[in-house]
Amino acid sequence: GAVVSQHPSWVICKSGTSVKIECRSLDFQATTMFWYRQFPKQSLMLMATSNEGSKATYEQGVEKDKFLINHASLTLSTLTVTSAHPEDSSFYICSAAGELAVRNEQFFGPGTRLTVL
Amino acid sequence: GESVGLHLPTLSVQEGDNSIINCAYSNSASDYFIWYKQESGKGPQFIIDIRSNMDKRQGQRVTVLLNKTVKHLSLQIAATQPGDSAVYFCAENRAAGNKLTFGGGTRVLVKP
Repeated sequence: GAVVSQHPSWVICKSGTSVKIECRSLDFQATTMFWYRQFPKQSLMLMATSNEGSKATYEQGVEKDKFLINHASLTLSTLTVTSAHPEDSSFYICSAAGELAVRNEQFFGPGTRLTVL
Repeated sequence: GESVGLHLPTLSVQEGDNSIINCAYSNSASDYFIWYKQESGKGPQFIIDIRSNMDKRQGQRVTVLLNKTVKHLSLQIAATQPGDSAVYFCAENRAAGNKLTFGGGTRVLVKP
């Protein structure tokens, strides 16, 4: 099946700093990528949907100026958490869907654990 | 708002027994449902899916049942193994778009 990677797998940063997380589709072109956030013992919550070459669409309640998403190529999307605070500590997961994929089919990355001190 | 939810937060099952995980959804417009398995510290792993024009689908050791009348989805795991210990999520997709809405999750613990 299609492979999606994320980097880094975990990161620890100081409060007030910015952190960038990469999501790559390794063996297919991802026209759409999704970013999710998952707090401990909770479900995945969709943060935003990004289509290659266009601005991301954010879910209600997600600050677009705080969570910057860039999807500049068909294999790479980045999520930057700006001015991170301890409450942003979470597990961030991306998924990708290809142009030729069966409708609704998303391939998930392994996640990135962010800890803000 | 509309959501997908689960009845049981934790399911403890004896190795070799069958497991049944339930999920309720409230959006009648949803036409595609997926079950995912998530192990600790990892991303969701696709298990099985079903479209709304079906009421049952079988995979290897897993069966998904869909009851559109009562908006209920279930995942059955046959002969549960220690490697099945994980959190299981159902997810729904609505006809108008490609976004998934995840349920709350059920933790399955397999006892040896």
